[in-house]
Formats: sequence, structure tokens, C-alpha cells
Amino acid sequence: GNSVTQMEGPVTLSEEAFLTINCTYTATGYPSLFWYVQYPGEGLQLLLKATKADDKGSNKGFEATYRKETTSFHLEKGSVQVSDSAVYFCALKSHDQGGSEKLVFGKGTKLTVNP
Amino acid sequence: NAGVMQNPRHLVRRRGQEARLRCSPMKGHSHVYWYRQLPEEGLKFMVYLQKENIIDESGMPKERFSAEFPKEGPSILRIQQVVRGDSAAYFCASSTTTVNTGELFFGEGSRLTVL
Repeated sequence: GNSVTQMEGPVTLSEEAFLTINCTYTATGYPSLFWYVQYPGEGLQLLLKATKADDKGSNKGFEATYRKETTSFHLEKGSVQVSDSAVYFCALKSHDQGGSEKLVFGKGTKLTVNP
Repeated sequence: NAGVMQNPRHLVRRRGQEARLRCSPMKGHSHVYWYRQLPEEGLKFMVYLQKENIIDESGMPKERFSAEFPKEGPSILRIQQVVRGDSAAYFCASSTTTVNTGELFFGEGSRLTVL
């Protein structure tokens, strides 16, 4: 079945540090890939997405590239801010014929950025 | 333009009682998804509904849980005879169409505590 594996957290960084959160997936076919962010006490918000191999999603300084050869979609940011402190979820949507329309999420990675 | 509205935000129930969680999707959205987030875990898909139809309930426990999305009114997730293990955050999400390349819009969640 379809699944997403994220690096275990929590991750603690100082402001302006470089961030990488690893995400790998298992899916039949070529899924669409997403990163969602959850700020404390809130619901999830879409951060970025990529729908085909080699696509790069980007938003708010975050980037992730859809790597078919390594089945990965790692999230990166060059310089994190305190306001980036949140839980980050990697997710996929399979496009198999007859496949369900649901998103499958990873377990989430909690990021804390200290000033 | 109001987002996905969930209520109640917090609900406390004693074992054996019933819990009803409501979700009003964004205006114009006809697809609703329910997810459960247990402490220290990621989001687990429960059910996907369109108006008056359950499309995919593969993540719903076989007993005590039910969901509906009537022609008029909000989607309801109902948990009968709650147990302590039902304590979790329940998130509703909506979309305009299938989630192939679009995004899900999440509510702020309903946090159920079973005493």
C-alpha cells in the first residue's frame, strides 16, 4: 500500500540555520506529493506540492523536489525563523486507477526554532 | 470567505457517552474528509464523503463510528459509547474536487477528551 516515512523529530535549530526534513514514500505509480504545516493549536495548511517527477514545489522560502529515482520529497529551507516552529507533514496522493482519493500522511516532524 | 468550520473545538465526554463532531466545509466544496490525530502520532484517514454519499470509509473503525454528509447541513462524525482510546484531535478537511492535484483545506480540529 501507499505510505510515507518522515525523519523522526523533534528537530531543534537556531534561527538562520539550514533545515532539512527527510521524506520518502512508497506508492504504486507516480503520486502527487505534498508538505503540510501545522502551527500550534491550528489545523494543517498546505505549504507546497509537486505533481510529477523533477517538479520543485516552493513557498515561503521552503523547497522540496520530487525525486522519482530515490522516491523522496525532502523539505529544505536555507534560513529558518522562529515563526517556522511547527509540525511538518509529508503526504502523498496516489493516482492509481480506482485508487482512493485520500491523502496519506507521514507521522509529522516537530520543528522548534530558537532565537 | 469562511474556511472549514468545526465544532465543538473541545469536547469532554465520559466513557459510554456519545460524541458528535460537526464540520461545515468551505463554500463551494462538496468533498469532505475526516482524519484522526492521536497524541504523538500523525494523521490517520478515517472517511471520505461527498454529499449524501460515503465514498471511502476504509479508515473507520468497524464499530461505534459513523459519518454522514447530508444534502443540507454540516458533515457529522458520530462516536457512540466512547472509550478512553477515542481521545484525540479529529480534523475535517474539504476540497472542491478530487484531491489529485488540488489541496485539502483543514479546519482547526475538534479535540475529544474521554474521562
